[in-house]
Amino acid sequence: GESVGLHLPTLSVQEGDNSIINCAYSNSASDYFIWYKQESGKGPQFIIDIRSNMDKRQGQRVTVLLNKTVKHLSLQIAATQPGDSAVYFCAENASGTYKYIFGTGTRLKVLA
Amino acid sequence: EAGVAQSPRYKIIEKRQSVAFWCNPISGHATLYWYQQILGQGPKLLIQFQNNGVVDDSQLPKDRFSAERLKGVDSTLKIQPAKLEDSAVYLCASRRAGATYNEQFFGPGTRLTVL
Repeated sequence: GESVGLHLPTLSVQEGDNSIINCAYSNSASDYFIWYKQESGKGPQFIIDIRSNMDKRQGQRVTVLLNKTVKHLSLQIAATQPGDSAVYFCAENASGTYKYIFGTGTRLKVLA
Repeated sequence: EAGVAQSPRYKIIEKRQSVAFWCNPISGHATLYWYQQILGQGPKLLIQFQNNGVVDDSQLPKDRFSAERLKGVDSTLKIQPAKLEDSAVYLCASRRAGATYNEQFFGPGTRLTVL
């Protein structure tokens, strides 16, 4: 299938290492944030979310950090696996709109 | 539970031609979204439906793009006439009424190439 991330920033990590993917968001009124994973030829898939009243949330092997002061999100993936290779997008949502604004994305390559 | 279905998966047309994409959301999902994803970018919302009504179409280029969801279920997105810059993946997503913010499910997309 085609790649959705030919011109995206790329992060290459060794299998088993931790990955950190960063995202800057634009709207200070946004109060809900999601990280999506998009594999080639597929639509985005939900990974983890966080509300603006939190600064950290953990899932299975993933952690999202939110810094509202500088409008910055990060996604940390522990013990990165080959199946984590994909393009990762952050998306922001302003309260009550159910309208999601996506960032530009980062391509994660996991090296064996 | 079946996911969001889209067809066709791929389409190649020449500029100035017309094209239509079809989306069948997850059963019972009242909210339906169409996104445009240009290569190397994140998805951009084109239009959002709640049942058969339009909630937001502020970023839909209405001179050439149209969308409808007549019976509040399936939706079609049309481009007429197409331009080179319309080459992109068109994603459909759906969400059930009352769902939390994270429950937006995407289809596989239709990749459009305009020559």
